[in-house]
Amino acid sequence: QQPVQSPQAVILREGEDAVINCSSSKALYSVHWYRQKHGEAPVFLMILLKGGEQKGHDKISASFNEKKQQSSLYLTASQLSYSGTYFCGTEVKAAGNKLTFGGGTRVLVKP
Amino acid sequence: GAVVSQHPSWVICKSGTSVKIECRSLDFQATTMFWYRQFPKQSLMLMATSNEGSKATYEQGVEKDKFLINHASLTLSTLTVTSAHPEDSSFYICSANRDSLPEQYFGPGTRLTVT
Repeated sequence: QQPVQSPQAVILREGEDAVINCSSSKALYSVHWYRQKHGEAPVFLMILLKGGEQKGHDKISASFNEKKQQSSLYLTASQLSYSGTYFCGTEVKAAGNKLTFGGGTRVLVKP
Repeated sequence: GAVVSQHPSWVICKSGTSVKIECRSLDFQATTMFWYRQFPKQSLMLMATSNEGSKATYEQGVEKDKFLINHASLTLSTLTVTSAHPEDSSFYICSANRDSLPEQYFGPGTRLTVT
């Protein structure tokens, strides 16, 4: 079952923050976050494996809630390069690393 | 590290012909490769999972006789779209796992247009 991402789209000014949510109706084994720019392949951002886990790289971070049914991606002090579509990929159980992707969140960062 | 390539980047073919797309892991051995299809402004839909030396596992609704997957080695998987039709036009993307780690590394994608 496809995870639900919200919001579907967000427009930011450079330097502003945003949060993207990814929710599942089932307990998740792992959550993966990717960013895709138009016409290109998705680029891996990070993976969360444990309930309560938080990770970050530069000013993009993510959390995985204790019940392991929701993850959030945080864009802090957004840069122009953060523009793109963000997808969460979820693994419901440890079964060959197969992911189901959410519908995506389109992020546009304006100067 | 963890670079995945796809060839070709784009292809235009006539209805009824077959098209082969290659996916290669350039600097690692891929235990598992995945094939996705993505329509404009939509999410990635998993088509099949392939492991080297074994038959691919197709997702529900994906015709295995139409989308032939061959995982000949630990660095190469191919997807052949047989008897392509205009509705098969899409962006096809492969990904690979490295060393059985959970991260998937994506190839640059192949845009298929069937006329």
